[in-house]
Amino acid sequence: EPEVTQTPSHQVTQMGQEVILRCVPISNHLYFYWYRQILGQKVEFLVSFYNNEISEKSEIFDDQFSVERPDGSNFTLKIRSTKLEDSAMYFCASSEVTGGSEAFFGQGTRLTVV
Amino acid sequence: GDSVTQMEGPVTLSEEAFLTINCTYTATGYPSLFWYVQYPGEGLQLLLKATKADDKGSNKGFEATYRKETTSFHLEKGSVQVSDSAVYFCALSFPNRDDKIIFGKGTRLHILP
Repeated sequence: EPEVTQTPSHQVTQMGQEVILRCVPISNHLYFYWYRQILGQKVEFLVSFYNNEISEKSEIFDDQFSVERPDGSNFTLKIRSTKLEDSAMYFCASSEVTGGSEAFFGQGTRLTVV
Repeated sequence: GDSVTQMEGPVTLSEEAFLTINCTYTATGYPSLFWYVQYPGEGLQLLLKATKADDKGSNKGFEATYRKETTSFHLEKGSVQVSDSAVYFCALSFPNRDDKIIFGKGTRLHILP
C-alpha cells in the first residue's frame, strides 16, 4: 500500500540552526501539506502546496518557514533559524484532490530544539 | 473560529469494554467530520468520516454519527481490543472552502488484556 514517508523520525538541533524536514509523498498525489503538533497541543495546519506554489498557509507559517519540492519526489519543510518553541512533531501529508480531507499522513518527524 | 474539542486522555479500558470518546465542534457553516487514528510509530490514518448531518461513519467496528443539533461526533466501539490502543483525533474540514483540516488534541487510548 502506498504511503507517505518522512525522514528523519527524530531530529535534535541547536537553537538558531537551520533544519530541513523531508517527506516523500505518494507518487500520484498533487497536493501536499505540513502540519505540526506541539506536545500536548492540537495538530495544527501549517501550509498546503500545489503546482509548485503555496496555496494556503497559516499564521504560524512565518518567514522562518519555507517549503520546496526540489525534484519529482521530495517535499521539504525548512525552518531557517530554529527556536525552542519550534519543538514539535511535524507531519507531512499528501492527497490526490484538494480540500485536505482525503490526505494521507506520514508517521511524523519529532523535532527537538535545544 | 472553527475548532474541535475532544475528551482528555488517557483513557484506559479492559479488552471487550465499550468505548466512547467524546468530540464536539464549533464551526461556521457545514463541515465534514473525521476521526483519525495514530498507532504507535505510524502516521495519522483516516478512520472514518461523515459529510453531512445524521450521517454515520463506520470502520473496523468504530462508529460516529454527525449530530448537528448537539455539534458532536462521538466515537464509539462496542468491544475494544488490545490492538485498538492508539491516539484518536477528531477533526473537521470544509472541502469546498480551503485546504486545511482542523484537529482536536487527540485522546490516547490504552486497552488492557
